[in-house]
Amino acid sequence: DAGITQSPRYKITETGRQVTLMCHQTWSHSYMFWYRQDLGHGLRLIYYSAAADITDKGEVPDGYVVSRSKTENFPLTLESATRSQTSVYFCASRDTPDTSYNEQFFGPGTRLTVL
Amino acid sequence: SQQGEEDPQALSIQEGENATMNCSYKTSINNLQWYRQNSGRGLVHLILIRSNEREKHSGRLRVTLDTSKKSSSLLITASRAADTASYFCATDARSNYQLIWGAGTKLIIKP
Repeated sequence: DAGITQSPRYKITETGRQVTLMCHQTWSHSYMFWYRQDLGHGLRLIYYSAAADITDKGEVPDGYVVSRSKTENFPLTLESATRSQTSVYFCASRDTPDTSYNEQFFGPGTRLTVL
Repeated sequence: SQQGEEDPQALSIQEGENATMNCSYKTSINNLQWYRQNSGRGLVHLILIRSNEREKHSGRLRVTLDTSKKSSSLLITASRAADTASYFCATDARSNYQLIWGAGTKLIIKP
């Protein structure tokens, strides 16, 4: 009963480096999401995916790339990390497309620091 | 821009008291959800209220929704130390799978 996991939990990197954050869910949920959480901004959607091989931009996609070759995995890549990407990143998933019940399930988060 | 905005930003009360948090939003919604986030953890879903509902209960939680005022409130009764967390509202205004989040209310329960 692993649910949704993220790795690494903590990451320190340098400006300009490529970083990949991993997200894995065991429920076979169709929808997956990447958020960043910064003080004073709540959660902001970076990218989302409605199914394998279907991804789309959210509110703040610049500087990020995603892929979804398998339903259970949704990695997020920072192609060239910048200090402004220092944040806590959350992955989430959801099953039903039913608008009357669209609870999202969250991973534990990855705290990323870009020096 | 944020759809949901919580009020107050921070709230500190004594254990056993009731805690009330408010959320306002800007556009029409299908439903509104409340989530809790303990320090250093992911968010956990608490309750969802649909646009045609006015009030919903779950244990010590009571949520109200006023679509005419575009606002919702979350009441936690008989608060406990374990209720110390940040609480977020989220609405589905843009689509049926994207949620728009407020900045949250940080609740501290003093023993």
